[in-house]
Amino acid sequence: DSGVTQTPKHLITATGQRVTLRCSPRSGDLSVYWYQQSLDQGLQFLIQYYNGEERAKGNILERFSAQQFPDLHSELNLSSLELGDSALYFCASSPGRASGTGELFFGEGSRLTVL
Amino acid sequence: GQSLEQPSEVTAVEGAIVQINCTYQTSGFYGLSWYQQHDGGAPTFLSYNALDGLEETGRFSSFLSRSDSYGYLLLQELQMKDSASYFCAVRSSGGYQKVTFGTGTKLQVIP
Repeated sequence: DSGVTQTPKHLITATGQRVTLRCSPRSGDLSVYWYQQSLDQGLQFLIQYYNGEERAKGNILERFSAQQFPDLHSELNLSSLELGDSALYFCASSPGRASGTGELFFGEGSRLTVL
Repeated sequence: GQSLEQPSEVTAVEGAIVQINCTYQTSGFYGLSWYQQHDGGAPTFLSYNALDGLEETGRFSSFLSRSDSYGYLLLQELQMKDSASYFCAVRSSGGYQKVTFGTGTKLQVIP
């Protein structure tokens, strides 16, 4: 158990709909990362937050948005869903300090299926 | 931006040694990490190299050459449970500890 909690674990929805994925980081971690993993693909970096502020953005679509709240949990909002958005969405957290290994602790992921 | 390249698949025999290579291009390099992911599971951290050289953790070792922008993961005494995907990841200063993953190498261990 990494200590990172993601909900929901599975989600099935239709094209054009909007969903929200939620992530609670490990206790004490200030950085939250979101990654998208399509079938048999790598981990595509979407966005990173540190202590409530956006720190880095990857190839995140304009239809997608995220935020990190004062209690450090984060939400990823996906709207106008398309078939190609079907993927496993991972949240990861880290202390965010420059020192150490920078190890990311991953949640179990939210599997999104768009029909 | 950042880019990392790894072989897509590797097959090795149980008990043998296998090396998975990773080349990267990035700015503001901090270090290179390796993660393991079993099918359908979450990636888990294996090792980290910030300086040139070899880091050993049990059956796994990781190597980094910053001048060559190259690293590898060495798995010894392969076991069937090592069958998984392995990702290298660059930790960079862009965006405050941004972590970018490679494309992943699927390792199949055969009897």
